[in-house]
Amino acid sequence: QVQLQESGPGLVKPSQTLSLTCTVSGASINSGAYYWSWFRQHPGKGLECIAYFYYSGSTYYNPSLKRRATISVDASKNEFSLKLNSVTAADTAVYYCARRQNFGPVDYWGQGTLVTVPS
Amino acid sequence: QSVLTQPPSVSGAPGQRVTISCTGSSSNIGAGYDVHWYQQLPGAAPKLLIYNNSDRPSGVPDRFSGSKSGTSASLAITGLQTEDEGIYYCQSYDTSLSGLGLFGGGTKLTVL
Repeated sequence: QVQLQESGPGLVKPSQTLSLTCTVSGASINSGAYYWSWFRQHPGKGLECIAYFYYSGSTYYNPSLKRRATISVDASKNEFSLKLNSVTAADTAVYYCARRQNFGPVDYWGQGTLVTVPS
Repeated sequence: QSVLTQPPSVSGAPGQRVTISCTGSSSNIGAGYDVHWYQQLPGAAPKLLIYNNSDRPSGVPDRFSGSKSGTSASLAITGLQTEDEGIYYCQSYDTSLSGLGLFGGGTKLTVL
């Protein structure tokens, strides 16, 4: 059974960097079949894809984040991380890590972690 | 405003049938990308409900079904149950987003 678990601070001060890690079990992030992603959901709002990476090293970021996001990978720990710099209150959201297929569905989600940036 | 348009809310009585629409354009659903549907219950992560327009993952009841035509897709739920209350999202891809994925704004289902 594939499981993903987000971890990281629940409170980040404005202008600082949000850092989250996703620990994956039951699947290898180095497998070629899947894309590993970060999503977020603002309070009471819909879902937004932040970024994803593929095991080959390719990454893609949502242009709306204006280059503030970075994904990094630690294959030895089967983990991938998200850094979002210069955060504001608008970055307050539940952040999810997830696995998806190439142009396919998101088949596994983490439970999500709420990150609050006070105004 | 989402690129994929869903009605904000739908409702139905237990046992009834409801449908949720997802309207896109020629650059996403109409371009041939499959549509996937998710159910999000209060306080929980989204759960894959329908993939590739009409396929159900193992464990999803056959009360849930999906279809796609042209630039739109639909989710149908028959035999409504109180535990179906939640928010439903459609998801697809767009030629302008390099595989990033995009979601509809979500539809809140209320079981009366």
